[in-house]
Amino acid sequence: QKEVEQNSGPLSVPEGAIASLNCTYSDRVSQSFFWYRQYSGKSPELIMSIYSNGDKEDGRFTAQLNKASQYVSLLIRDSQPSDSATYLCAVNSGSYNTDKLIFGTGTRLQVFP
Amino acid sequence: DAMVIQNPRYQVTQFGKPVTLSCSQTLNHNVMYWYQQKSSQAPKLLFHYYDKDFNNEADTPDNFQSRRPNTSFCFLDIRSPGLGDAAMYLCATSGTTGTGQETQYFGPGTRLLVL
Repeated sequence: QKEVEQNSGPLSVPEGAIASLNCTYSDRVSQSFFWYRQYSGKSPELIMSIYSNGDKEDGRFTAQLNKASQYVSLLIRDSQPSDSATYLCAVNSGSYNTDKLIFGTGTRLQVFP
Repeated sequence: DAMVIQNPRYQVTQFGKPVTLSCSQTLNHNVMYWYQQKSSQAPKLLFHYYDKDFNNEADTPDNFQSRRPNTSFCFLDIRSPGLGDAAMYLCATSGTTGTGQETQYFGPGTRLLVL
């Protein structure tokens, strides 16, 4: 059973701090990794995608991937109250010709003023 | 500019009364997905289409069916909704290059309530 594990939280950080969200996955052949943000009652919205080991930065967001450790993380710098949401880690299942994602249950982030 | 559209946004049905949820996309993506998401849980893939090729997940109940009459539209039919089927139903699309790197784009979801 392919799995994606996340700490459910809540992760509480003060406004302006760095929020660090972590995810581990079980399928060694996974090649693509995604972070989605989901506000309460809304659908998931893509924040970052990462395919290679190392860091990928986009504005206040940095995704980090370590395939050897089967670990992917999301850093949010200068956290804002509007970042308060559930962050879903998703991993490509590795299926040829179809792009199926396996989602974690999400980490709830709370940014307090 | 909505790219993945779901209708209705909220659906109330009675126990056992068939219901159809719809999804349309303007992205011309060849893969479409239906997920079920319950509170505080991960989205659960029900099935997906690669073009017209239907792929059912092994644990998707027979009560759930789907149709994709053309590239733009996909429907989720729940033949006899039970109380346990109350959830958010998410439609997503992706293009595919066979590399596994395609991003999935989600519609706004349909929240289903079963009375």
